[in-house]
Amino acid sequence: AQTVTQSQPEMSVQEAETVTLSCTYDTSESDYYLFWYKQPPSRQMILVIRQEAYKQQNATENRFSVNFQKAAKSFSLKISDSQLGDAAMYFCAYRSAILMATTDSWGKLQFGAGTQVVVTP
Amino acid sequence: EAGVAQSPRYKIIEKRQSVAFWCNPISGHATLYWYQQILGQGPKLLIQFQNNGVVDDSQLPKDRFSAERLKGVDSTLKIQPAKLEDSAVYLCASSLDSNRGFETQYFGPGTRLLVL
Repeated sequence: AQTVTQSQPEMSVQEAETVTLSCTYDTSESDYYLFWYKQPPSRQMILVIRQEAYKQQNATENRFSVNFQKAAKSFSLKISDSQLGDAAMYFCAYRSAILMATTDSWGKLQFGAGTQVVVTP
Repeated sequence: EAGVAQSPRYKIIEKRQSVAFWCNPISGHATLYWYQQILGQGPKLLIQFQNNGVVDDSQLPKDRFSAERLKGVDSTLKIQPAKLEDSAVYLCASSLDSNRGFETQYFGPGTRLLVL
């Protein structure tokens, strides 16, 4: 079974500064997907960014970018020019890209425990 | 486009009582997921539906939890009887088609359950 580890329970950043959230995962698979989800205090979780493991190029979405190190099984999220609206819980998630014969579907999303991002003015 | 709707938003019950949660996914989304999120943890998948069929319910405590998705649209999750450890936020999510592993899941606001 795959496990996702987020070792930072909380990270604090000043407005306009940059913060990096770490995520490591354990898998024996070679093909998979990785995601970062954001969960603001209202609790509606939204997708921030995603990465396909076979792609070497790191994904970027505006102020959000990832550093994907496949060999190290690391998938960190960088938030640049932090804004007050970035304050939230951030979850790293893994999903297998191997179709399961028993269910004709991809595996379930495996989430880490989350990192709380605090943005100070 | 309307998002994933869930009700109720909050529920307080006593242990051994029953409770039901409702979810209405985004229109046209074939796949529906129920997650349990215990305080301080990431969401854990309880059950996944593709249209009105169950794809994965391996982590659903079937002795007390049940779920159904009528006509491949709305879904209900029931707990009977509830235990203290069922206190959590129950999240519903939907996606266009689970047979694309890269597919984005859209989450509802969740139902916060407190079992006393």
